[in-house]
Amino acid sequence: RKEVEQDPGPFNVPEGATVAFNCTYSNSASQSFFWYRQDCRKEPKLLMSVYSSGNEDGRFTAQLNRASQYISLLIRDSKLSDSATYLCVVLRGSQGNLIFGKGTKLSVKP
Amino acid sequence: GAVVSQHPSRVICKSGTSVKIECRSLDFQATTMFWYRQFPKQSLMLMATSNEGSKATYEQGVEKDKFLINHASLTLSTLTVTSAHPEDSSFYICSASDRGLLLDIQYFGAGTRLSVL
Repeated sequence: RKEVEQDPGPFNVPEGATVAFNCTYSNSASQSFFWYRQDCRKEPKLLMSVYSSGNEDGRFTAQLNRASQYISLLIRDSKLSDSATYLCVVLRGSQGNLIFGKGTKLSVKP
Repeated sequence: GAVVSQHPSRVICKSGTSVKIECRSLDFQATTMFWYRQFPKQSLMLMATSNEGSKATYEQGVEKDKFLINHASLTLSTLTVTSAHPEDSSFYICSASDRGLLLDIQYFGAGTRLSVL
């Protein structure tokens, strides 16, 4: 089983739609979780950290369920500029090693 | 935010040559740097972790003699792909963290696209 697994995608949605991404992780000792965004042929950029209580940043809401080892990202009122690949990322160990999911591609259409 | 500069952004080389990639933290001291590799449509795979002044820790399956990592200063780490072959063609990305600030946050370089002919 992969350490971090995500919806395979791709997700093709119209502007203004709400879209949700899911992710599961296998190591119950994982402590920190993130969503990164990666544009085509570019480096990943941190979108938001994910906290146990859930957190929101504008149109983006992240949730963590430790019991189910499940992380989600909700994007409301999607924009064309949201088109990218969204990477679920888990911090492993004390060295700061990030484990990346394969990513879910989102295409927002006009 | 913190800036990590990676150079070169693109390399095309002949099989058998060695390629050096530099990763610099421009406005903070990077006590730890990470090197990743990403094949098309695949996730980023951690290759190795390097701490300033000590030997790098390689992930399972990554050949340390093939991928030489040097982290001689708090602002510079280098990855040398020795005797590169076509199967080494990939997108290599470095990241850096400053444990004096937030342990969990890594700042990524823009990546190096390596093509070995």
